[in-house]
Amino acid sequence: QVQLVESGGGLVKPGGSLRLSCAASGFTFSDYYMSWIRQAPGKGLEWHSYISSRGRTLYYADSVKGRFTISRDNAKNSLYLQMNSLRAEDTAVYYCARMKMATMHYWGQGTLVTVSS
Amino acid sequence: QSALTQPASVSGSPGQSITISCTGTSSDVGGYNYVSWYQQHPGKAPKLMIYDVNNRPSGVSNRFSGSKSGNTASLTISGLQAEDEADYYCSSYTNSSTRAVFGTGTKVTVL
Repeated sequence: QVQLVESGGGLVKPGGSLRLSCAASGFTFSDYYMSWIRQAPGKGLEWHSYISSRGRTLYYADSVKGRFTISRDNAKNSLYLQMNSLRAEDTAVYYCARMKMATMHYWGQGTLVTVSS
Repeated sequence: QSALTQPASVSGSPGQSITISCTGTSSDVGGYNYVSWYQQHPGKAPKLMIYDVNNRPSGVSNRFSGSKSGNTASLTISGLQAEDEADYYCSSYTNSSTRAVFGTGTKVTVL
């Protein structure tokens, strides 16, 4: 069965950095686009980054552009999100998801990122 | 890219049917048959309930159905059950660079 397991969340000070990982299993990882979606406490879902199956196409929402970098290692069945210059408004649960035509068919359980001094 | 518009809350009694709307534009909901619906219980990850407007993934109850008319998509839950109480989000493919846009979310309450 498809499994996505995020890790790497935690407490970080404003201006700091964090790297999230998402370990995929149960499907051919290299065949699929992957996304990161976040959800601030008590708020809705925000889709902010995606990467094509071979990593050649990347997308970032304006809210994270220039600060976040999405990447993948198909040999390790892993998706990553490097987050720099973190702000309080980046505090959220971060989900990785397998996507197809903008549909997120499978989601991980999420990892909480808290940006606070 | 603005979020798709959903009602903040919808409620119904057990056994009733409810419908949640999701309004976009011709650049997203109205232009493509790639509308999805997600269910999210408190503290849990979202779960795909409907994709491509009206398709159910394996394992999703047939009490959930989707439709679309013009720039508005809808999710109908029939035979409402206590376990259906959750937040629901729509999403759509969009021809903007964002590729996908989520709705604002709807809290479903079972009375």
